[in-house]
Amino acid sequence: DVKVTQSSRYLVKRTGEKVFLECVQDMDHENMFWYRQDPGLGLRLIYFSYDVKMKEKGDIPEGYSVSREKKERFSLILESASTNQTSMYLCASSKLRTGDTDTQYFGPGTRLTVL
Amino acid sequence: GNSVTQMEGPVTLSEEAFLTINCTYTATGYPSLFWYVQYPGEGLQLLLKATKADDKGSNKGFEATYRKETTSFHLEKGSVQVSDSAVYFCALRAGGSARQLTFGSGTQLTVLP
Repeated sequence: DVKVTQSSRYLVKRTGEKVFLECVQDMDHENMFWYRQDPGLGLRLIYFSYDVKMKEKGDIPEGYSVSREKKERFSLILESASTNQTSMYLCASSKLRTGDTDTQYFGPGTRLTVL
Repeated sequence: GNSVTQMEGPVTLSEEAFLTINCTYTATGYPSLFWYVQYPGEGLQLLLKATKADDKGSNKGFEATYRKETTSFHLEKGSVQVSDSAVYFCALRAGGSARQLTFGSGTQLTVLP
């Protein structure tokens, strides 16, 4: 069974804190993605990575950074959390180039609240 | 740029009713189209997909047909069940080497017994 896991389901942090969200996949996928999900806005792409140490900005990268030191792990970092980063964060992964390239597999999400 | 417009929710139906959730898109080239479903407390799961014009994706009684002429990918099910209550997202992957998906805003479906 394919699996994408995220380090926390719920997280509460204070404004200005540095926050790490971790994502691990066990499918040997090359592509990994971080989205945030907000009511009425759907999912918006923050960053993605198609290989170890490679990253590309998505639609809303401001205030975030990422790290991919190992193929199976993709971290999202909030350098200085702000209240407008309160959201649900979803990680996903997909294969680079196969007949099933398009299917992204999602983790359960981390609901982050910044006070 | 690429965009997906979904029918506004929430949608409330009685069990065994017919479901349609509208989805239209704007994209360059020839995108692949998807419907994802998110059950309460879970991440998104792929429901169905279509990769070229006139393709029909189907799964679990749901269907959607890739209509290039109307740039649409409407989701339909003939008889919904309480267990279909979830949020449904339409998405596209632009043609070429693009890897990321562009999502619609999601439609909350509630099915009452």
